[in-house]
Amino acid sequence: DAGITQSPRHKVTETGTPVTLRCHQTENHRYMYWYRQDPGHGLRLIHYSYGVKDTDKGEVSDGYSVSRSKTEDFLLTLESATSSQTSVYFCAIGRSSSGGHPEAFFGQGTRLTVV
Amino acid sequence: DQQVKQNSPSLSVQEGRISILNCDYTNSMFDYFLWYKKYPAEGPTFLISISSIKDKNEDGRFTVFLNKSAKHLSLHIVPSQPGDSAVYFCAASDRGTYKYIFGTGTRLKVLA
Repeated sequence: DAGITQSPRHKVTETGTPVTLRCHQTENHRYMYWYRQDPGHGLRLIHYSYGVKDTDKGEVSDGYSVSRSKTEDFLLTLESATSSQTSVYFCAIGRSSSGGHPEAFFGQGTRLTVV
Repeated sequence: DQQVKQNSPSLSVQEGRISILNCDYTNSMFDYFLWYKKYPAEGPTFLISISSIKDKNEDGRFTVFLNKSAKHLSLHIVPSQPGDSAVYFCAASDRGTYKYIFGTGTRLKVLA
């Protein structure tokens, strides 16, 4: 257990509505990530954070924003949900198993359906 | 442009034999490489990693090989077990950003 909790685990929302997904960690790690998983595309990085209020875009950031006001929480917001954002979303933390380069450890995922 | 590629969507192997999963990358700035296993309805699980200063790393039944000149890495599982049946993702990162870029995955099926 990497000490990561994603909420909600499942959500159905309507096109055009805002949606916020929450990632909470209990281990005080600096790096946090949001990915989406889609068939044929694997895992694609949406945004990541390297500290409180420090965030950067990933591979597929259009239509998404993030916030990190405290170390333990990393929020992903879909400003106006579209059907193309139907996906499984994974949060991850960067944690080093050997004291060197950190590895990504993932939460259980949030299945989001936009109808 | 995909920076990390797994060109084999699926692989079937007999129990007890070796499974070899392959991954190619294009970004020469990548200096750390990882393999993950994913079961349905679960998050990916970290398996093994390798730094660009090495060409091999072993952990039990899992060995990762890195060929920097070819920009290629592979994961060997010996012996393969039915519980190894899952989707395997390779990922790459560079020291400057610690962003992890993943491939599209290879579905491994180990036949009993």
